[in-house]
Amino acid sequence: SQTIHQWPATLVQPVGSPLSLECTVEGTSNPNLYWYRQAAGRGLQLLFYSVGIGQISSEVPQNLSASRPQDRQFILSSKKLLLSDSGFYLCAWRSQGWVTEAFFGQGTRLTVV
Amino acid sequence: DAKTTQPTSMDCAEGRAANLPCNHSTISGNEYVYWYRQIHSQGPQYIIHGLKNNETNEMASLIITEDRKSSTLILPHATLRDTAVYYCIVTSQGAQKLVFGQGTRLTINP
Repeated sequence: SQTIHQWPATLVQPVGSPLSLECTVEGTSNPNLYWYRQAAGRGLQLLFYSVGIGQISSEVPQNLSASRPQDRQFILSSKKLLLSDSGFYLCAWRSQGWVTEAFFGQGTRLTVV
Repeated sequence: DAKTTQPTSMDCAEGRAANLPCNHSTISGNEYVYWYRQIHSQGPQYIIHGLKNNETNEMASLIITEDRKSSTLILPHATLRDTAVYYCIVTSQGAQKLVFGQGTRLTINP
């Protein structure tokens, strides 16, 4: 069966520090991968998505970047965190092709102080 | 993908049916309606999806109007554990992007 791993679950980082959040998927190949951010009490904002290794589409200009070094690995990064980067970050995957649902990780709650 | 409009919040009594509406008036012929829900501090969970026929599974029923411009998610016997944010999205076969709106915050009251 397919599983998605996202870590860490919580993270407190100082302003100006770097960030690296990792997401890996097991049990499937060539998935579409997604990074979302959710501010407190708000909806899900799509940040990046990827349809293949090295292919990244950015939805919102910001202080973050994403990379997909392997088929089932998706990394969210920042060189210098801002206070506004605080939020709940979610990784998701979805099979390519036919109509399928998306599966989400448990999320990382990032607090920038 | 077509945009969706949902009420910001709704309340429902425990044991009653919860009916969550979604408007997707610009939906195109190859787009499906998906519903997800997000319990506090967790990742969203898939509930159900449909194209034009009504659908039912162990979690919920989905009623899609004949013109497909709106749909209703029905939780037949709501429990306190159904308190969550419910997202209605419209997406086509093979779509790469997956965009969520603000969703409906459903509160089930005892």
